[in-house]
Amino acid sequence: GDSVTQMEGPVTLSEEAFLTINCTYTATGYPSLFWYVQYPGEGLQLLLKATKADDKGSNKGFEATYRKETTSFHLEKGSVQVSDSAVYFCALSGGGYQKVTFGTGTKLQVIP
Amino acid sequence: DAGVTQSPTHLIKTRGQQVTLRCSPISGHKSVSWYQQVLGQGPQFIFQYYEKEERGRGNFPDRFSARQFPNYSSELNVNALLLGDSALYLCASSMGPGTGGVEQYFGPGTRLTVT
Repeated sequence: GDSVTQMEGPVTLSEEAFLTINCTYTATGYPSLFWYVQYPGEGLQLLLKATKADDKGSNKGFEATYRKETTSFHLEKGSVQVSDSAVYFCALSGGGYQKVTFGTGTKLQVIP
Repeated sequence: DAGVTQSPTHLIKTRGQQVTLRCSPISGHKSVSWYQQVLGQGPQFIFQYYEKEERGRGNFPDRFSARQFPNYSSELNVNALLLGDSALYLCASSMGPGTGGVEQYFGPGTRLTVT
């Protein structure tokens, strides 16, 4: 079945540092790929998505590129802020209905 | 506009009891999905409903059931509660039945604790 593997956290960075959170997936066919973010005390929010190979999703300075050859969708940001502290989930969706398969989440803590 | 709303916010139940969770989708959205998020894990898909019909079901026992009403709101029922059912239950809505890259909007969740 479909699965998503993402790097374990927590990840602690200083403000303005470069962020990479690795994500790889296993799926049949051509899934859509997502990054969701969960801020403390809030619900899940879609951060960015990519629906086909080589697409780059971007939002709020975050980027991720759909790499079919390496089955990866790594999340990057050039300069993190304290307000980026949250749990980040890599996810995929494919098939005949709207099931989203999530990774286990990576907690990011940004310190001033 | 109001986002996805869920009730109640928190719930404490005893093993063996039954529970009903409620979800109201964003206005105009006709699809509702339910997820279970155990502490420290990613959400796990339980059901998707569209136009009152079940469109998809995850790997959960028959103790879990759901339905969708004509106004597109939805209920998730869990019977014979087990300690392992303690989790955050998330509802997500989207406009149509579409697949793949359809954006789903998540509610804040209902925190269920089974003692």
